[in-house]
Amino acid sequence: DTGVSQDPRHKITKRGQNVTFRCDPISEHNRLYWYRQTLGQGPEFLTYFQNEAQLEKSRLLSDRFSAERPKGSFSTLEIQRTEQGDSAMYLCASSWRENTEAFFGQGTRLTVV
Amino acid sequence: AQSVTQLGSHVSVSEGALVLLRCNYSSSVPPYLFWYVQYPNQGLQLLLKYTSAATLVKGINGFEAEFKKSETSFHLTKPSAHMSDAAEYFCAVSVGGGKLIFGQGTELSVKP
Repeated sequence: DTGVSQDPRHKITKRGQNVTFRCDPISEHNRLYWYRQTLGQGPEFLTYFQNEAQLEKSRLLSDRFSAERPKGSFSTLEIQRTEQGDSAMYLCASSWRENTEAFFGQGTRLTVV
Repeated sequence: AQSVTQLGSHVSVSEGALVLLRCNYSSSVPPYLFWYVQYPNQGLQLLLKYTSAATLVKGINGFEAEFKKSETSFHLTKPSAHMSDAAEYFCAVSVGGGKLIFGQGTELSVKP
C-alpha cells in the first residue's frame, strides 16, 4: 500500500473554470476527509465520508463545491466556477475509524488566475 | 466547541537545543490529540497521538508530548534539535466523526 494518493499535485486554472481533484485513500480505510489549507494556516475541514455516505459538510463548502465517493473507494472534489479565493492546498486524508490517526495525501495545490 | 491554540507562530532554536512547541486545547469531552509535521509543499505526517492510554506519548524522530488535563495542554518536545526538524508543526484535536480541528501551526527553524 502506497498511502493516500492525490491527483493532480498542482493545478492552475482560470477564474470561472471548473476543476476536479481525485483522492485514493488507503484501501482498508472506510473514512475519507477533505481539508483546505491556505498559506500560513492550519488545514480546515471541508467534508467527510464513511464508505460512500457523505456524513458532514462544513459551511466552508459552498454550493460551488461538491464531493463524491462512489462505491466507497476513491473520492473526487469538484469546484465549479472557480474564484481566486479558492486558491489553496486541498488535502485528502483517510482513517480506519473515528479517532484513529488520519493519513494524509500530498495534497493538490490549486492556483486560480 | 472544541478548539486548539498553538502559542508562537515561529520558533527558532539552535541545532542540539531543546525544542518546545506549545499547544492548548479546549474540549468538553476527553480529547484525542495529535501532532502532525508538514514539510514545504507536502502533506501532513503524523508525529504522535494521545488517546488516553498514557499521558506521556512518544512519537517518531525523537519527539514526545505530555498530556496535562489540568492545564489543557499537549506540548511537543524534543531534547536535541536537528536541522532536518525544520518544518511546520500542527496540533490537532479529533472531534465528532473523526474530523480534525487544527491549530494555526508553528514554524520551527533550526540554526546551525
